[in-house]
Amino acid sequence: DTAVSQTPKYLVTQMGNDKSIKCEQNLGHDTMYWYKQDSKKFLKIMFSYNNKELIINETVPNRFSPKSPDKAHLNLHINSLELGDSAVYFCASSQVVGGETQYFGPGTRLLVL
Amino acid sequence: QKEVEQDPGPLSVPEGAIVSLNCTYSNSAFQYFMWYRQYSRKGPELLMYTYSSGNKEDGRFTAQVDKSSKYISLFIRDSQPSDSATYLCAIKSWGKLQFGAGTQVVVTP
Repeated sequence: DTAVSQTPKYLVTQMGNDKSIKCEQNLGHDTMYWYKQDSKKFLKIMFSYNNKELIINETVPNRFSPKSPDKAHLNLHINSLELGDSAVYFCASSQVVGGETQYFGPGTRLLVL
Repeated sequence: QKEVEQDPGPLSVPEGAIVSLNCTYSNSAFQYFMWYRQYSRKGPELLMYTYSSGNKEDGRFTAQVDKSSKYISLFIRDSQPSDSATYLCAIKSWGKLQFGAGTQVVVTP
C-alpha cells in the first residue's frame, strides 16, 4: 500500500500552459509539503500545510498555487509554465509540522519545452 | 550562504569500503540533524536522525554530530552496491527541513 502517492509521474508540456499535480497520503498525517528538486539534486521546500491550512510559503512565484481539500490531499497547480519550472516535484507528509521524519512520494518529473 | 553545505560528489568506492559523508551548517542553534537516502528516480527516505552531539549507530550506518564545529557526518561500513544512492543531510530550522545538495555515492562491485 503506497504511503504517499503522486500523479502524474511524468509531465511534458509547452511553455505558457497550466498544469496540476495531485498528491495523496494514507498515513493519517496532519502535515503535507511540496518540495522542488532541481537538476543539481538540490531539494527545497515550497509549501507546507497543516490540517488544510497553509503554514509555510517559501519565496515561490504566485503562479504556483497549492490547494488542500482535506488532510490527506495536497495538490499543486502551476499557471503559465516557464522553462525554469522544469524539475522534479515531491510531495511529502509528516505527523507534525516540520517533523524530522518525512515520507516522500515518488516525485513528478516536469519538463517544460 | 546556504544554511547547510554538502559536497555533491560523486563519491566512488569499492565494495566493502567505508563511505564517509559530511555536511557543515551555519547556525549553532540547530538541534535536529537528519540523513536521507535517495535512490535514482525515487523520493528521499529517512535513514537516521539525531538531536545531540556524538554518535548514533544503526546497523552499518553511523551518524555523527559535532556541534562545536557545526559538522555532521554519516559513515557506512562494509558498503554494498545497494548503498549506491544520493545521500542528503538535513537540519531542522524554523519548522522546516533545510537540505544539503546531496552527495552521490557509487559503490562498485
